[in-house]
Amino acid sequence: KQEVTQIPAALSVPEGENLVLNCSFTDSAIYNLQWFRQDPGKGLTSLLLIQSSQREQTSGRLNASLDKSSGRSTLYIAASQPGDSATYLCAARSYNTDKLIFGTGTRLQVFP
Amino acid sequence: DARVTQTPRHKVTEMGQEVTMRCQPILGHNTVFWYRQTMMQGLELLAYFRNRAPLDDSGMPKDRFSAEMPDATLATLKIQPSEPRDSAVYFCASGPTPGGTYEQYFGPGTRLTVT
Repeated sequence: KQEVTQIPAALSVPEGENLVLNCSFTDSAIYNLQWFRQDPGKGLTSLLLIQSSQREQTSGRLNASLDKSSGRSTLYIAASQPGDSATYLCAARSYNTDKLIFGTGTRLQVFP
Repeated sequence: DARVTQTPRHKVTEMGQEVTMRCQPILGHNTVFWYRQTMMQGLELLAYFRNRAPLDDSGMPKDRFSAEMPDATLATLKIQPSEPRDSAVYFCASGPTPGGTYEQYFGPGTRLTVT
């Protein structure tokens, strides 16, 4: 059974720092892994999706990597801004299932 | 700008009342998911459909919850009777035909409060 964990649970940093958010999964036979952003009281916005055959994906200041052998994915945020403040969730999808298994999220606060 | 829509956005009801939540998936997406988010449990999958047929509802309390897709543009989640422990945010998500990236797109959610 796939289990997904995220550390840290919360993070508070000054503006301009480079950040790494961690996501671990127990079943390495994943089809893909998706990173989401959730603002307070809002829905989930998809940030990046990494297929099992890929090592990383980039979008602007965001870079997500995937290491299936170690069961880890990281989301790297470069030059953080106050507008990056949100909860970041990772979710893994295994083969032969449509289900996304979510981590509990990392709540990020970037202060000016 | 294609997006998943959900109604109502907020619902406050008394215990024992029926609650119906609606979702319009992105046009052309044939897979629809219902999730529930609480502080204690995080995001949990309740049920999902493909081509309007239910594929998995194992995450849903069957005695009080029901999910349907009357047509390709509407998915419903019904709770009858509602209980205070059902208070949560309910999200609908849709995705395109399998074989691609399987990316899921989420709606804004329905915040349900049962008193």
